[in-house]
Amino acid sequence: DVKVTQSSRYLVKRTGEKVFLECVQDMDHENMFWYRQDPGLGLRLIYFSYDVKMKEKGDIPEGYSVSREKKERFSLILESASTNQTSMYLCASRTTLASTDTQYFGPGTRLTVL
Amino acid sequence: GEDVEQSLFLSVREGDSSVINCTYTDSSSTYLYWYKQEPGAGLQLLTYIFSNMDMKQDQRLTVLLNKKDKHLSLRIADTQTGDSAIYFCAETKAGGFKTIFGAGTRLFVKA
Repeated sequence: DVKVTQSSRYLVKRTGEKVFLECVQDMDHENMFWYRQDPGLGLRLIYFSYDVKMKEKGDIPEGYSVSREKKERFSLILESASTNQTSMYLCASRTTLASTDTQYFGPGTRLTVL
Repeated sequence: GEDVEQSLFLSVREGDSSVINCTYTDSSSTYLYWYKQEPGAGLQLLTYIFSNMDMKQDQRLTVLLNKKDKHLSLRIADTQTGDSAIYFCAETKAGGFKTIFGAGTRLFVKA
């Protein structure tokens, strides 16, 4: 079974703090994704990485950056957290070698910025 | 443009069938998915269908695809209280990295 883990389930930070969200997958998947989920808006793609050290902006990259130094780990960084970044953050991974493009999701990190 | 639309809420009685509907706009989509999200959890893949198929059945789940109308539905037979969750419709373009998700349909199952 594919396992995608996220470093925290719940996180509370203050405005202006630098925040790191970590995601690790154990199935040697090439692609990894960061989404945020907000009520009524579904999932919106922040950034994705198609391989180590490779990253591409998604639909809402402003205020975020990412790092992928190792294949199994994809980090989302909020350089200076703001209250409008309060959200549920979901990480996902995917292999390009399977017959489908299925993404496997972590349990999510609920971030509150005060 | 890229858009996946779903109704936000559905309420059914335990034992009835649930039908969750979705419309998509990208005719080049290769895969169409249904994901389930239980409270406090990430998304779990329920089932998927290739865009060259019309129907897929998997135990209590039936997926119907109408390519002409770009309409996808998920039918859950004999709905149980454990089926209460948010259901997301999603599509992936042929050869693309991005998966486009709908806003999710919250299914309430009344005992």
